[in-house]
Order: sequence, then structure tokens, then C-alpha cells
Amino acid sequence: EAGVAQSPRYKIIEKRQSVAFWCNPISGHATLYWYQQILGQGPKLLIQFQNNGVVDDSQLPKDRFSAERLKGVDSTLKIQPAKLEDSAVYLCASSPVGFGNTIYFGEGSWLTVV
Amino acid sequence: TQLLEQSPQFLSIQEGENLTVYCNSSSVFSSLQWYRQEPGEGPVLLVTVVTGGEVKKLKRLTFQFGDARKDSSLHITAAQPGDTGLYLCAGYSSSNTGKLIFGQGTTLQVKP
Repeated sequence: EAGVAQSPRYKIIEKRQSVAFWCNPISGHATLYWYQQILGQGPKLLIQFQNNGVVDDSQLPKDRFSAERLKGVDSTLKIQPAKLEDSAVYLCASSPVGFGNTIYFGEGSWLTVV
Repeated sequence: TQLLEQSPQFLSIQEGENLTVYCNSSSVFSSLQWYRQEPGEGPVLLVTVVTGGEVKKLKRLTFQFGDARKDSSLHITAAQPGDTGLYLCAGYSSSNTGKLIFGQGTTLQVKP
């Protein structure tokens, strides 16, 4: 079974530029998550989708971050304009519908803002 | 806001030593999970504990859920260099939306 796919793996941009990350979850998984993980810290949930709908985006900085889930499958996370403090790993994860199911993470997209 | 606090944040030990990592909260969680993350990869689930007082073993790793379901511990016996990594505890929020909250992690280095 294919895992959660993310791209690009690495991205370096200058502050005030924009960047987009793409995620393809495990086939059939209704729930998709985007987490931000600063080096050496635990992941912080940015946004959670169930199918097409947003379940939780309370920690998403909506003035610069946006996310969408196309047709309830793939998802894109965009940052515009980027700040230095956005340097982090952006982890996409997916799980089957239902409370308490195992969440599977992708390898992450590493962002460095200079 | 539900928070999970892990201690210690960093641990560097010699191969063969034992260690314990703690995960504490003032809130009750329906379940707690432990993940291990290696550099350049996403977290991978090790175990889920559900019942207060539950103890689960995974080879040299022993996981315990507190009786009040507010805390958990991970004990590693005879650590090996392959155990090196970031250990994360996580719990589902009480809002039942499936939101998984992570602790800040414990970085473990096992030196040969």
C-alpha cells in the first residue's frame, strides 16, 4: 500500500515570497491533516479536513496560510507571503474516517525561509 | 486548551542503559499514543494506550497509561543506538473532532 506522498521534499525561498506544498493521502482515507513541525519540537496541527470540509483550522495563520483539498483527495498548503519563522517541516498525514484511527504521516516538506 | 508536556526534552545515554520518558497533562485523554520520528521522516506510531493503568510492551519498550488517564510513560530497557530519535506523545482532544495534539518531544541519543 502506497504511503502519504508529499512534494517538494525541500524548498528554500526568500521572505515575502510564496510557496505551495502538495499532498496525496493514502487511498480511501477521508481525513487529511497538515502539521507544522519546527526542528526538535512536536508537530502542531494547522488544518484538518474530512473529505472536502474543514474540521479544524484554529491554528492556521489565515492571513498568510491557506489550504484546500481538491475533490476530497489531494491537498495543497500555500504560504504567501512567507516569513522567517515559517521555516519548518510541513507534515501531511491521513487516516480513515472514524475517531481514534491510526494517522499515517508523509516524510514532510522542509521549508527554509531566508 | 489541552497540553501535553514531555520530560526530559533531551537525553543522551550510553548503549545498554535504561531510560524513562514522561508525558504529563492536567487534562484527561481518552487515549494516548507514542510515536518515534527519525531525522528526515514523519512520525511513526509505536503504540496506543486506552485504559487507565494499562501497560503495553513492545520488545524493549514498555508503555504505561496513568490511572487517571492524564499521563503516560515510556521506558526503554538496555537502549541501543538504533533507538536514537525523537519520541513524541500525542492525545486526541476532548472535542472528538479527531484532532491529535502532540507533546514537544524528547530527543534521545544513544551512544555506542
